[in-house]
Amino acid sequence: QVQLQESGPGLVKPSQTLSLSCTVSGDSFSGGGYYWSWIRQPAGKGLEWIGRIYASGTTHYNPSLKSRVTISMDTSNNQVSLKLSFVTAADTAVYYCARGHGTTTADYWGQGTLVTVSS
Amino acid sequence: DIQMTQSPSSLSASVGDRLTITCRASQNIYSYLNWYQQKVGKAPNLLIYSASSLQTGVPSRFSGSGSGTDFTLTVNSLQPEDFATYFCQQSYGTPLTFGGGTKVEI
Repeated sequence: QVQLQESGPGLVKPSQTLSLSCTVSGDSFSGGGYYWSWIRQPAGKGLEWIGRIYASGTTHYNPSLKSRVTISMDTSNNQVSLKLSFVTAADTAVYYCARGHGTTTADYWGQGTLVTVSS
Repeated sequence: DIQMTQSPSSLSASVGDRLTITCRASQNIYSYLNWYQQKVGKAPNLLIYSASSLQTGVPSRFSGSGSGTDFTLTVNSLQPEDFATYFCQQSYGTPLTFGGGTKVEI
């Protein structure tokens, strides 16, 4: 059974960099044609796709965030990381990582982690 | 960006009802459409992929249809555990985009 677990600071100050990790267990992390996405959801609102990374290292980002986002992977630790720079209150949200393959964007999700941007 | 518009945004239903939610894409996305269910405080759960394929483990009362720009999620005989918010999502092109959600309440 595939499991994803997000981790990272729950509070980030404005203008700083948000850094999260997603640890994947129970799956072939770097094989199987999978990719790993980050998706966020402000409280009471809808879902926003941030970007994804393939095992090859290829990344795709949402243009609305592209200038501030970096997604990377550490295959030795089965981790996918998200960095979002110059955060503001508008970046306060629950951040999810998810596994995808083909056109199935997210068949497994982490439980999500709340990040609040506040001084 | 491809805009995904869901309707209705909320609805009231009863156990045993047949539920229909629609999702419209701003351009042709063929069958690159996924449906998710989200319960309060939980991550979304994939129900339907490629417009009409039932994800493993999802009850058969859930079904999806449509192609091109118009899609439908149907839930036959609504169960108490089906009261949740439902999202559609297109996987035709990046950025991947979601509908605004449909909240199903008793």
